[in-house]
Amino acid sequence: SQQGEEDPQALSIQEGENATMNCSYKTSINNLQWYRQNSGRGLVHLILIRSNEREKHSGRLRVTLDTSKKSSSLLITASRAADTASYFCVVSGGYNKLIFGAGTRLAVHP
Amino acid sequence: DGGITQSPKYLFRKEGQNVTLSCEQNLNHDAMYWYRQDPGQGLRLIYYSQIVNDFQKGDIAEGYSVSREKKESFPLTVTSAQKNPTAFYLCASSPGNSGTAEQYFGPGTRLTVT
Repeated sequence: SQQGEEDPQALSIQEGENATMNCSYKTSINNLQWYRQNSGRGLVHLILIRSNEREKHSGRLRVTLDTSKKSSSLLITASRAADTASYFCVVSGGYNKLIFGAGTRLAVHP
Repeated sequence: DGGITQSPKYLFRKEGQNVTLSCEQNLNHDAMYWYRQDPGQGLRLIYYSQIVNDFQKGDIAEGYSVSREKKESFPLTVTSAQKNPTAFYLCASSPGNSGTAEQYFGPGTRLTVT
């Protein structure tokens, strides 16, 4: 399976701390994306990193990609209570398909 | 105000009834997708469409049907043949017809069948 697998499954931190989520996958990819889902809502695209990129930033988000280890990480700096959500690592599973992992549930406590 | 709309937000049906979930987008996107999400799980692809009047089965198409008569609309019918229809259903769209591009999601429809 090419599915991205997130680690940890759940993460609980205090506001202001950094949150790091990891993702591993099994085959070669075109790109890797991270999405956020607030409870009971649709998904929101956060960032896309291509296979020839190693690091990408967007505001308080930093994503790294190591294709030799088939892994990626999402770092959220200075977390806020509003960052509480599930975060999904999504790999391109061949033409016209995205493959979603089960997600990391992040809880940020005030 | 551009985006994807899904209606209704909550839907309740009796077992044995077909039900149709609505998905509309005004983003002028070519591709549209339907996913199913079960509690604590990721999304699984039901059907997708790259262009009007054409659609393809995803990983879990059994018990579902779709149509794509207009670019803006991609309704999903959950038929009585779907054994476990209770789930959260998400519709998405993306520009172009590459399924590996960023996808834009609707707010979802939570279907409960009793």
